[in-house]
Amino acid sequence: AQSVTQLDSQVPVFEEAPVELRCNYSSSVSVYLFWYVQYPNQGLQLLLKYLSGSTLVKGINGFEAEFNKSQTSFHLRKPSVHISDTAEYFCAVSDRGGATNKLIFGTGTLLAVQP
Amino acid sequence: EAGVAQSPRYKIIEKRQSVAFWCNPISGHATLYWYQQILGQGPKLLIQFQNNGVVDDSQLPKDRFSAERLKGVDSTLKIQPAKLEDSAVYLCASSSSTIWNEQFFGPGTRLTVL
Repeated sequence: AQSVTQLDSQVPVFEEAPVELRCNYSSSVSVYLFWYVQYPNQGLQLLLKYLSGSTLVKGINGFEAEFNKSQTSFHLRKPSVHISDTAEYFCAVSDRGGATNKLIFGTGTLLAVQP
Repeated sequence: EAGVAQSPRYKIIEKRQSVAFWCNPISGHATLYWYQQILGQGPKLLIQFQNNGVVDDSQLPKDRFSAERLKGVDSTLKIQPAKLEDSAVYLCASSSSTIWNEQFFGPGTRLTVL
């Protein structure tokens, strides 16, 4: 079974500052890793994904994440945030060899960008 | 390309009443998912369909929840009778059938049970 831990429930940051949202996972099998963003009253949108290959993954809106297998982490970063980045961010895993493509989500981190 | 459509967007009911949610996936997507997102938690998969067959319903509370996808396109999720703890956002997602396939999410239905 897999699980995802997002230790920070809320991250306040000033506009144009860098930010890192932390994600750690637990799994007995190889996994795919994802970050989704959820704006108020909207569904989830895929930010980026790690399937294989380079451990540094670039996504939309200037976000990137790095897969660290030894630390079982997949932290999300952005060098300079905007007010419009204010949203809930979810880390998720999926069993690489699974038949169902099922996503296991963390509890989310609210990124609050202040002017 | 139209996204995943869900209705209603909001629903308020009394406990022990019944409620139904509707989802129309992206055209051509064979796989459809229903997730429950309780406030302060991440989404949890309730049921997954491949065409009109159930692939995974291991976390669906079958004594009160039911779902169907009769023609392999639209889907309905029903709760009967509702409990207070069913208050949540119900998200529908769809994906095409490839080895790995991105799930596209609808806007969700926010259910409040009083």
